[in-house]
Amino acid sequence: AQTVTQSQPEMSVQEAETVTLSCTYDTSESDYYLFWYKQPPSRQMILVIRQEAYKQQNATENRFSVNFQKAAKSFSLKISDSQLGDAAMYFCAYRRDSNYQLIWGAGTKLIIKP
Amino acid sequence: EPEVTQTPSHQVTQMGQEVILRCVPISNHLYFYWYRQILGQKVEFLVSFYNNEISEKSEIFDDQFSVERPDGSNFTLKIRSTKLEDSAMYFCASSPDRFLYEQYFGPGTRLTVT
Repeated sequence: AQTVTQSQPEMSVQEAETVTLSCTYDTSESDYYLFWYKQPPSRQMILVIRQEAYKQQNATENRFSVNFQKAAKSFSLKISDSQLGDAAMYFCAYRRDSNYQLIWGAGTKLIIKP
Repeated sequence: EPEVTQTPSHQVTQMGQEVILRCVPISNHLYFYWYRQILGQKVEFLVSFYNNEISEKSEIFDDQFSVERPDGSNFTLKIRSTKLEDSAMYFCASSPDRFLYEQYFGPGTRLTVT
């Protein structure tokens, strides 16, 4: 069965600095999708970034980028120029190409220090 | 920007009672999902729904649970006889396509079973 592991329950970073959140996953599939979702105190899940496993190029969305290492089954999220509004729980999620369900990590609480 | 909505935001019910959680997915989306998040635990997939039938369900989604799309806009999750362990945040999500597109989440309904 597929699993997703986020080994950092909590991370903190100074405003304007860069932080990297870790995610590893276990799968025997070759085609799949990986996601980072943000959950602010309002509790709504907001998609931050998506990576297709067949793409070698790392996805980027403005200040957010990933380091996707397929062989190592690692999918870390880098947030550059951290802002107070980035404070939230961040969840890594995995989806097989052939089905619907998202499999989630336990989340990392990101604290931004002003 | 279109978004998934859920009602109510918080539902308190007594053990053994039936509860219906409501969701309005984004209007042109075809795939619908329910997830739950017990406090302090991982987000868990419950069920996916397409073309008026369940396409996939998890072990959690037993006979106590059912889903329905009663009209062209609503998507509901019914729990027939609630248990204390059903207390959780329930998230509805939708997507236009099951392959390439991410799932868009609603703000969640907090269900408290007393």
